[in-house]
Amino acid sequence: QKEVEQNSGPLSVPEGAIASLNCTYSDRGSQSFFWYRQYSGKSPELIMFIYSNGDKEDGRFTAQLNKASQYVSLLIRDSQPSDSATYLCAVNLNTGFQKLVFGTGTRLLVSP
Amino acid sequence: NAGVTQTPKFQVLKTGQSMTLQCAQDMNHNSMYWYRQDPGMGLRLIYYSASEGTTDKGEVPNGYNVSRLNKREFSLRLESAAPSQTSVYFCATATYGSYEQYFGPGTRLTVT
Repeated sequence: QKEVEQNSGPLSVPEGAIASLNCTYSDRGSQSFFWYRQYSGKSPELIMFIYSNGDKEDGRFTAQLNKASQYVSLLIRDSQPSDSATYLCAVNLNTGFQKLVFGTGTRLLVSP
Repeated sequence: NAGVTQTPKFQVLKTGQSMTLQCAQDMNHNSMYWYRQDPGMGLRLIYYSASEGTTDKGEVPNGYNVSRLNKREFSLRLESAAPSQTSVYFCATATYGSYEQYFGPGTRLTVT
């Protein structure tokens, strides 16, 4: 089992819809969860992080964490074509140093 | 404020050649990381440095060496490049104690 798993997609949604991106992780000791956005040919950009169970909202983005199910998700409301990118989920390793394990990413396509 | 910078942006090497990838940051972060990103494999940690003067192996260190020259700079060296090292290389930084990592623009390396 991979440490962090994401569906590679592409996930296609129409403009204005809600995009839901999902991520599961294997280490029950993980405490920190991150979502990065990566446009084609560019570097990953941190857009959200969540440490506690429940929801965390930032503008059009909502991160959801369920530690019991080892599941973290990212909702993008009112999706725009500019949201088309690959979204990487990252989870800390419970190893005593601040290392992250990244999923392979989900490609999101928002059509006008 | 440049954030995290990487040089060069692109490089083509022949098998067996050596080169050093440079990373510099002006974010006053203690921790620095080198990742490689390959299609379908996601971001994989090569080496990291918790602070000036310390370096440790990540998931895929074979064929690479690193130097933490000072707090700002962290270089990655390929002593004898192989086609399997064709990849996009990202440097990232984080403040000590934080899992939030910030990425440089990347170096696209091709080994023929």
